[in-house]
Amino acid sequence: QVHLQESGPGLVKPSETLSLTCTVSGGSISSSDYYWAWIRQPPGKGLEWIGTIFYSGSTYYMPSLMSRVTISVDTSKNQFSLKLTSMTAADTAMYYCARQSNGWFDSWGQGTLVTVSS
Amino acid sequence: EIVLTQSPVTLSLSPGERATLSCRASQSVSSFLAWYQQKPGQAPRLLIYDASKRATGIPARFSGSGSGTDFTLTISSLETEDFAVYYCQQRGAWLTFGGGTKVEIK
Repeated sequence: QVHLQESGPGLVKPSETLSLTCTVSGGSISSSDYYWAWIRQPPGKGLEWIGTIFYSGSTYYMPSLMSRVTISVDTSKNQFSLKLTSMTAADTAMYYCARQSNGWFDSWGQGTLVTVSS
Repeated sequence: EIVLTQSPVTLSLSPGERATLSCRASQSVSSFLAWYQQKPGQAPRLLIYDASKRATGIPARFSGSGSGTDFTLTISSLETEDFAVYYCQQRGAWLTFGGGTKVEIK
């Protein structure tokens, strides 16, 4: 059974760049059956898809975040990563990584809370 | 961007009752719709995909229906563990989620 685990800082200063990593275990990130995604959820609010990557490096980003987002993959470490630049208080959220199958998110990490504050 | 509108925002029911949750898309998504359950402090869990297919391990009391712009998640008889927030998600164009419906104990 696949397991996903997010890691990264819980506190980021305004205008700085957020860097998060998702480590996948119990399955290969290089499988052609799956994509890998980042999703976030502001406190008390709904879910927002950020972007998706395939093991080959192909990426798909939410249009409204596209100018600030980079998702990358490291198949040797079975990891994929998120970078989000120019962070503001509006980016404060629980950030989840997830496995994506045919457009559906069928396995999720536990999430990591990121707060933007000086 | 396709907007998903879920109703009602809150549903107050008792265990054993039937729950009917609605998700309406701003334009047709064919059958490309999923439902997720989220409990406090937990990540969402995939319940239904392709509008009506149950994900692995999901009990038969959960069922999905609909196509085009109108979709329904039905829980035939609420168990205590079913009280949670439910989200719909579409993959017709990009990936977007609805605002959620909270199913609370009456």
